[in-house]
Amino acid sequence: EVHLVESGGALVQPGGSLRLSCAASGFTLNNYWMMWVRQAPGKGLEWVASIRQDGRETYYVDSVKGRFTISRDNVKNSLYLQMNTLRAEDTAVYYCARVFDPWGQGTLVTVSS
Amino acid sequence: DIQMTQSPSSLSASVGDRVTITCRASQGIRNELGWYQQKPEKAPKRLIYTASTLQSGVPSRFSGSGSGTEFTLTISSLQPEDVATYYCLQHNSYPYTFGQGTKVDIK
Repeated sequence: EVHLVESGGALVQPGGSLRLSCAASGFTLNNYWMMWVRQAPGKGLEWVASIRQDGRETYYVDSVKGRFTISRDNVKNSLYLQMNTLRAEDTAVYYCARVFDPWGQGTLVTVSS
Repeated sequence: DIQMTQSPSSLSASVGDRVTITCRASQGIRNELGWYQQKPEKAPKRLIYTASTLQSGVPSRFSGSGSGTEFTLTISSLQPEDVATYYCLQHNSYPYTFGQGTKVDIK
Protein backbone atom coordinates (compact mmCIF):
# COMPACT_ATOMS: atom_id res chain seq x y z
CA GLU A 1 0.00 0.00 0.00
CA VAL A 2 1.25 3.47 -0.90
CA HIS A 3 1.93 5.55 2.19
CA LEU A 4 3.27 9.07 2.75
CA VAL A 5 4.09 10.42 6.20
CA GLU A 6 5.12 14.03 6.76
CA SER A 7 7.09 15.25 9.75
CA GLY A 8 8.93 18.32 10.93
CA GLY A 9 6.07 20.75 11.44
CA ALA A 10 6.49 23.07 14.42
CA LEU A 11 5.95 26.52 15.88
CA VAL A 12 8.65 28.84 14.55
CA GLN A 13 9.25 32.58 14.82
CA PRO A 14 8.99 34.87 11.80
CA GLY A 15 12.26 34.85 9.91
CA GLY A 16 13.08 31.35 11.10
CA SER A 17 13.70 28.13 9.21
CA LEU A 18 12.21 24.68 9.18
CA ARG A 19 12.76 21.49 7.21
CA LEU A 20 9.83 19.23 6.46
CA SER A 21 10.31 15.58 5.58
CA CYS A 22 8.04 13.11 3.86
CA ALA A 23 8.72 9.39 4.14
CA ALA A 24 7.39 7.33 1.27
CA SER A 25 6.62 3.62 1.27
CA GLY A 26 4.80 1.11 -0.88
CA PHE A 27 6.15 2.44 -4.17
CA THR A 28 9.42 3.33 -5.87
CA LEU A 29 9.92 7.04 -5.23
CA ASN A 30 12.25 7.60 -8.17
CA ASN A 31 9.50 6.72 -10.64
CA TYR A 32 7.37 9.72 -9.75
CA TRP A 33 7.21 13.49 -9.69
CA MET A 34 6.42 14.65 -6.16
CA MET A 35 4.88 17.84 -4.79
CA TRP A 36 4.06 19.84 -1.67
CA VAL A 37 0.67 21.47 -1.18
CA ARG A 38 -0.38 23.64 1.77
CA GLN A 39 -3.61 24.71 3.39
CA ALA A 40 -3.81 27.72 5.68
CA PRO A 41 -6.25 27.38 8.61
CA GLY A 42 -9.82 27.49 7.31
CA LYS A 43 -8.66 28.17 3.75
CA GLY A 44 -8.34 26.34 0.44
CA LEU A 45 -5.51 24.35 -1.06
CA GLU A 46 -2.39 25.96 -2.53
CA TRP A 47 0.20 24.12 -4.59
CA VAL A 48 3.69 25.00 -3.29
CA ALA A 49 6.34 23.09 -5.26
CA SER A 50 7.04 20.11 -7.49
CA ILE A 51 10.17 18.09 -8.24
CA ARG A 52 11.07 15.72 -11.06
CA GLN A 53 12.08 12.13 -10.49
CA ASP A 54 15.83 12.85 -10.63
CA GLY A 55 15.57 16.10 -8.65
CA ARG A 56 16.99 18.20 -11.49
CA GLU A 57 13.78 20.06 -12.32
CA THR A 58 11.81 21.99 -9.71
CA TYR A 59 8.94 24.47 -9.74
CA TYR A 60 7.59 26.82 -7.07
CA VAL A 61 4.66 29.11 -6.46
CA ASP A 62 5.84 32.73 -6.65
CA SER A 63 5.21 33.44 -2.96
CA VAL A 64 7.89 30.95 -1.84
CA LYS A 65 10.49 31.34 -4.61
CA GLY A 66 13.90 32.10 -3.14
CA ARG A 67 12.79 31.04 0.36
CA PHE A 68 11.72 27.39 -0.01
CA THR A 69 13.65 24.50 -1.58
CA ILE A 70 12.15 21.18 -2.53
CA SER A 71 14.51 18.20 -2.69
CA ARG A 72 14.48 14.44 -2.57
CA ASP A 73 16.61 11.46 -1.64
CA ASN A 74 15.45 8.49 -3.70
CA VAL A 75 17.74 6.12 -1.82
CA LYS A 76 16.11 7.09 1.47
CA ASN A 77 12.64 7.21 -0.14
CA SER A 78 12.21 10.72 1.19
CA LEU A 79 11.00 14.12 0.03
CA TYR A 80 11.95 17.37 1.75
CA LEU A 81 10.92 21.01 1.92
CA GLN A 82 13.48 23.43 3.32
CA MET A 83 11.68 26.60 4.38
CA ASN A 84 13.69 29.74 5.17
CA THR A 85 12.73 33.30 6.08
CA LEU A 86 9.33 32.11 7.23
CA ARG A 87 6.43 34.54 7.39
CA ALA A 88 3.13 34.49 9.24
CA GLU A 89 1.37 33.82 5.93
CA ASP A 90 3.29 30.52 5.60
CA THR A 91 1.25 29.14 8.52
CA ALA A 92 -0.51 26.07 7.13
CA VAL A 93 -0.82 22.32 7.08
CA TYR A 94 1.75 21.08 4.55
CA TYR A 95 0.95 17.95 2.57
CA CYS A 96 3.33 15.94 0.46
CA ALA A 97 1.85 14.05 -2.45
CA ARG A 98 2.87 11.75 -5.21
CA VAL A 99 1.79 13.70 -8.26
CA PHE A 100 -1.20 13.74 -8.05
CA ASP A 101 -2.33 11.11 -5.59
CA PRO A 102 -2.11 9.93 -2.86
CA TRP A 103 -1.36 12.56 -0.23
CA GLY A 104 0.11 12.28 3.24
CA GLN A 105 -1.83 13.28 6.35
CA GLY A 106 -0.08 16.65 6.62
CA THR A 107 2.13 18.43 9.12
CA LEU A 108 1.30 21.78 10.75
CA VAL A 109 3.66 24.71 10.44
CA THR A 110 2.87 27.74 12.60
CA VAL A 111 4.84 30.94 12.13
CA SER A 112 4.28 33.25 15.07
CA SER A 113 6.17 35.22 17.68
CA ASP B 1 -0.93 32.08 -14.16
CA ILE B 2 -4.08 30.09 -14.89
CA GLN B 3 -7.00 31.05 -12.64
CA MET B 4 -9.52 28.37 -11.72
CA THR B 5 -12.97 29.75 -10.89
CA GLN B 6 -15.05 27.20 -9.04
CA SER B 7 -18.77 27.49 -8.36
CA PRO B 8 -20.78 27.43 -6.27
CA SER B 9 -18.73 28.08 -3.13
CA SER B 10 -21.22 26.06 -1.12
CA LEU B 11 -24.39 24.09 -1.63
CA SER B 12 -26.93 22.22 0.40
CA ALA B 13 -28.84 19.33 -1.15
CA SER B 14 -31.00 16.42 -0.11
CA VAL B 15 -29.91 12.80 -0.04
CA GLY B 16 -30.46 11.39 -3.51
CA ASP B 17 -30.18 14.73 -5.29
CA ARG B 18 -27.98 15.28 -8.31
CA VAL B 19 -25.21 17.75 -7.51
CA THR B 20 -23.07 19.64 -10.03
CA ILE B 21 -19.91 21.64 -9.37
CA THR B 22 -18.17 23.68 -12.08
CA CYS B 23 -14.61 24.86 -12.62
CA ARG B 24 -13.71 27.35 -15.30
CA ALA B 25 -10.11 27.90 -16.36
CA SER B 26 -8.89 31.33 -17.44
CA GLN B 27 -7.25 29.69 -20.46
CA GLY B 28 -7.41 26.30 -22.11
CA ILE B 29 -5.95 23.43 -20.12
CA ARG B 30 -6.95 20.54 -22.39
CA ASN B 31 -8.06 17.79 -20.00
CA GLU B 32 -5.32 18.35 -17.42
CA LEU B 33 -7.61 18.65 -14.44
CA GLY B 34 -8.38 16.60 -11.37
CA TRP B 35 -11.14 16.69 -8.77
CA TYR B 36 -10.48 16.19 -5.06
CA GLN B 37 -12.65 15.52 -2.04
CA GLN B 38 -11.59 16.74 1.40
CA LYS B 39 -13.45 15.71 4.52
CA PRO B 40 -12.93 17.71 7.74
CA GLU B 41 -9.48 17.25 9.28
CA LYS B 42 -8.47 14.82 6.53
CA ALA B 43 -6.10 14.98 3.57
CA PRO B 44 -7.64 15.51 0.15
CA LYS B 45 -8.40 12.42 -1.90
CA ARG B 46 -8.52 12.40 -5.69
CA LEU B 47 -11.81 11.38 -7.24
CA ILE B 48 -11.29 12.12 -10.93
CA TYR B 49 -8.20 12.58 -13.13
CA THR B 50 -7.71 13.77 -16.69
CA ALA B 51 -11.06 15.52 -16.28
CA SER B 52 -13.25 12.45 -16.65
CA THR B 53 -11.43 9.28 -15.47
CA LEU B 54 -12.74 7.83 -12.22
CA GLN B 55 -10.04 7.02 -9.66
CA SER B 56 -9.97 3.35 -8.70
CA GLY B 57 -12.17 2.66 -5.68
CA VAL B 58 -14.26 5.81 -6.03
CA PRO B 59 -18.03 5.22 -6.20
CA SER B 60 -19.54 5.40 -9.67
CA ARG B 61 -21.99 8.13 -8.60
CA PHE B 62 -19.07 10.52 -9.09
CA SER B 63 -18.30 11.62 -12.64
CA GLY B 64 -16.34 14.34 -14.37
CA SER B 65 -16.63 15.98 -17.76
CA GLY B 66 -15.24 18.84 -19.77
CA SER B 67 -12.22 19.93 -21.71
CA GLY B 68 -10.53 23.20 -22.52
CA THR B 69 -11.88 25.78 -20.10
CA GLU B 70 -15.04 24.35 -18.58
CA PHE B 71 -15.24 21.33 -16.32
CA THR B 72 -17.91 19.68 -14.22
CA LEU B 73 -17.97 17.29 -11.29
CA THR B 74 -21.31 15.54 -10.85
CA ILE B 75 -22.57 13.47 -7.95
CA SER B 76 -25.53 11.58 -9.42
CA SER B 77 -27.18 10.73 -6.11
CA LEU B 78 -25.85 12.57 -3.07
CA GLN B 79 -25.10 10.38 -0.04
CA PRO B 80 -24.48 11.43 3.57
CA GLU B 81 -20.84 10.35 3.30
CA ASP B 82 -20.33 12.82 0.46
CA VAL B 83 -20.42 15.77 2.88
CA ALA B 84 -17.04 17.38 2.18
CA THR B 85 -15.31 20.21 0.36
CA TYR B 86 -14.48 19.59 -3.28
CA TYR B 87 -11.61 21.17 -5.23
CA CYS B 88 -10.48 21.15 -8.83
CA LEU B 89 -6.76 21.29 -9.69
CA GLN B 90 -5.27 22.24 -13.03
CA HIS B 91 -1.88 20.77 -13.91
CA ASN B 92 -1.56 22.04 -17.46
CA SER B 93 1.09 24.60 -16.54
CA TYR B 94 2.98 25.94 -13.56
CA PRO B 95 2.05 27.22 -11.11
CA TYR B 96 -0.55 24.53 -10.62
CA THR B 97 -3.74 26.10 -9.29
CA PHE B 98 -6.75 24.93 -7.35
CA GLY B 99 -10.29 26.17 -7.47
CA GLN B 100 -11.53 27.94 -4.34
CA GLY B 101 -13.49 24.90 -3.18
CA THR B 102 -17.16 23.93 -2.91
CA LYS B 103 -18.52 22.93 0.47
CA VAL B 104 -21.29 20.34 0.13
CA ASP B 105 -23.66 19.47 2.93
CA ILE B 106 -26.99 17.73 3.41
CA LYS B 107 -30.20 19.70 3.61
